[in-house]
This record gives sequence, C-alpha cells and structure tokens, in this order.
Amino acid sequence: GESVGLHLPTLSVQEGDNSIINCAYSNSASDYFIWYKQESGKGPQFIIDIRSNMDKRQGQRVTVLLNKTVKHLSLQIAATQPGDSAVYFCAGTAGNTPLVFGKGTRLSVIA
Amino acid sequence: EADIYQTPRYLVIGTGKKITLECSQTMGHDKMYWYQQDPGMELHLIHYSYGVNSTEKGDLSPESTVSRIRTEHFPLTLESARPSHTSQYLCASTPGAGGGETQYFGPGTRLLVL
Repeated sequence: GESVGLHLPTLSVQEGDNSIINCAYSNSASDYFIWYKQESGKGPQFIIDIRSNMDKRQGQRVTVLLNKTVKHLSLQIAATQPGDSAVYFCAGTAGNTPLVFGKGTRLSVIA
Repeated sequence: EADIYQTPRYLVIGTGKKITLECSQTMGHDKMYWYQQDPGMELHLIHYSYGVNSTEKGDLSPESTVSRIRTEHFPLTLESARPSHTSQYLCASTPGAGGGETQYFGPGTRLLVL
C-alpha cells in the first residue's frame, strides 16, 4: 500500500562513540516515557523507561534524560556497538491513556 | 522477556479476502493493543482493549475490527482486504493497573494484499 509521510531521521555514529537520540513531546500532562529499539523484521523491544518525577535514569550503557520544561527526552548510548544499529522510538503516556509513539530515529553504527 | 505471540508472521492474500490476525499473551495482562506500521515508519495505534469485552479505536481510523473475549487473546479481523492494508501489524500488551505501563510487543505480522 502507499505510504505517505516523512522518512525517519538518521543518525550515523562511529563504533565506540556515544550516541544521543532526541525526542520532543507535546503533551505537558505526559507522566511516563519509554524508549524502544526496533530491529529489522522484529517488534519494538523495551530499552528503558522514566517517570516524570525523575530527570535522569541509567541502565546498562543507556541513559535517559527528561527535561519537562522544554518537553524533551533523550536517549544516550555509551560506546555504541554494531548491534545497536536499529530504529529507536520514544513513547509517552498521560495517566491511563495508550502510549503515543514518536516518529523514530534510525541509528547506523559505522564499524 | 514477555510472552506475546502473533500468527501468522507473514501473509500474502488477494483483495477482498477476509483475514484474522492472531495475538495471544500468556502473562495475564489486562491491556492489549494493535498497531499498524509501514516499513521504517512510525507506529499508529488502531485498536486497544483494557480488559475482556472492552475494545476501543485508536488514533488511526481502522478498517478492521477486534474482539476481546478472553484475557489472553486479542484477534484483529479485516473483513475485506485491500492493497492499502499492506503493512506490518504489531500486537502489544501491558500489565495494567499496579503492574506498570511498559508495553511488550509481539514479533508482528507482515501482510501483503495483492
């Protein structure tokens, strides 16, 4: 079927460098955010989440930063590896509403 | 790791056929979702359910129907498939109240309508 819309923005990084993927949201009532990683041919996979009462959360090689003032979310990946190549989506929800997904960013790791 | 399954994984079908995409989860999650995603594009919510006998339409105007007769099962039906339905369909589930809001996704069904 025909698909109309913007293609995903792309981020290319050298293997071993740090990656920063950004996401903006519009609903100031959003109180929970998730970053997903989607590899080709697979469903999105949970990476890390953060609630609005926090501004930073760290996982294994990943950090999520939340700036509620400017409604901005970022995902930082340390020491990026070829296996990190994928499309990354941010998603947010307010209260009991379904998650709203961003457009996604395609991360390409150059070996 | 969540246990959420989708069948078939791939389907090629002719215009006008009726098809049902299956989604099952074995975690007892209350909330389930269907998304449509074109290759390399964003996810669009088409249906969701917060429990048995509860279904809602999502943001994208659906040309499909869903049912939720059992907690673990959330099938999606296209009464008459068209080429514009060609896409990937992703099913997801969430524990619901008290269990967090993280959505766990199935592997998806890639549909091609000729």
